Amino acid sequence: DGGITQSPKYLFRKEGQNVTLSCEQNLNHDAMYWYRQDPGQGLRLIYYSQIVNDFQKGDIAEGYSVSREKKESFPLTVTSAQKNPTAFYLCASSLQGTASSGANVLTFGAGSRLTVL
Amino acid sequence: AQSVTQPDIHITVSEGASLELRCNYSYGATPYLFWYVQSPGQGLQLLLKYFSGDTLVQGIKGFEAEFKRSQSSFNLRKPSVHWSDAAEYFCAVVRTGRRALTFGSGTRLQVQP
Repeated sequence: DGGITQSPKYLFRKEGQNVTLSCEQNLNHDAMYWYRQDPGQGLRLIYYSQIVNDFQKGDIAEGYSVSREKKESFPLTVTSAQKNPTAFYLCASSLQGTASSGANVLTFGAGSRLTVL
Repeated sequence: AQSVTQPDIHITVSEGASLELRCNYSYGATPYLFWYVQSPGQGLQLLLKYFSGDTLVQGIKGFEAEFKRSQSSFNLRKPSVHWSDAAEYFCAVVRTGRRALTFGSGTRLQVQP
């Protein structure tokens, strides 16, 4: 079955450490996204990528980095520069093209919960 | 700037009662609007979407939503709530110049027996 796999589901980090969250999709989607979710704040966009080897900053990109070397993969690194990294991180993907073709309809992974100790 | 507002943080309804979750948006053109549902500790699932055409859209799990341009609203409704509908619901809009969605802060629905 096609879908998005995020790993790990739970991750604990000490202050000052970088951590990388994995996101893999087998939906053949061109676009991929990372969102951060905090209680009462909804989802906030960190980074997104519409094509391999290209990505754009979202609303809260500071302290995060991404890469898009393969169509299927869009890993997110939470660096030590991120001041408050404890959150639930969601990866998503979508088709490109027009709205009628399904673009903008996001499919989400199950999320990764990061806790800084 | 475009934004999405969900005025109700938490709503409690009795099982079998009707439901309406509010969503208001600020947008300069015809918006693309979405409703997603999230069970605790899980990802989001698309309930329904509006791009154009009929302003009343049907979704999965018996949900529907109505786009009202005059009120800048896209409220989600269900005529009879089931206990399994307890979850968090997010309204979202496509943001100009980007292909990514902008989400509201969510409404948590609790269903009483």
